[in-house]
Amino acid sequence: KAGVTQTPRYLIKTRGQQVTLSCSPISGHRSVSWYQQTPGQGLQFLFEYFSETQRNKGNFPGRFSGRQFSNSRSEMNVSTLELGDSALYLCASSFTSGYYNEQFFGPGTRLTVL
Amino acid sequence: QQQVKQSPQSLIVQKGGISIINCAYENTAFDYFPWYQQFPGKGPALLIAIRPDVSEKKEGRFTISFNKSAKQFSLHIMDSQPGDSATYFCAASGGSNYKLTFGKGTLLTVNP
Repeated sequence: KAGVTQTPRYLIKTRGQQVTLSCSPISGHRSVSWYQQTPGQGLQFLFEYFSETQRNKGNFPGRFSGRQFSNSRSEMNVSTLELGDSALYLCASSFTSGYYNEQFFGPGTRLTVL
Repeated sequence: QQQVKQSPQSLIVQKGGISIINCAYENTAFDYFPWYQQFPGKGPALLIAIRPDVSEKKEGRFTISFNKSAKQFSLHIMDSQPGDSATYFCAASGGSNYKLTFGKGTLLTVNP
């Protein structure tokens, strides 16, 4: 069974631009969560989608948004990029929503904002 | 507010030694405590997890010890191997929110 895939793997953008990252969960998984990983702040939860509905949201500004499609694939969008948005963005999928369900992480998208 | 505090930041252990990483949490609603292992260029992978109805869980060389009254839990890696060299994250979740709250991570280096 294929793992979680994220595209693109690397991205370079300039301040003010917007970016869209994509995540394809493991087949059959309906929950997708997004995390931001930085050396200073570690892993921080962005949001979780289950059956196309946002179930949970972390403490990030409205510039960060996401959505989930009927096939469970998910995208996250960051508008008006800032230097501080440079990070590894990780997507994790699980069979269903709920914290006892193991989350499987993808390799991440490395975003660099210049 | 950091809800899960992890220590040490880095750890160097000799092959065959015991690696111990500690975490403390504040939110008493937490009732699921997983540990993740991350290698460079990879996403975190679940290593082992515990719920507070047990004080210890062992899987191979990896053991979680849990102290509910102290709100602390730790990961013990027995007979540490160079292949265990990675960054380890503790995490917690519970209550009405399913999100994982992670510790800052521990970079483990096992010398041959």
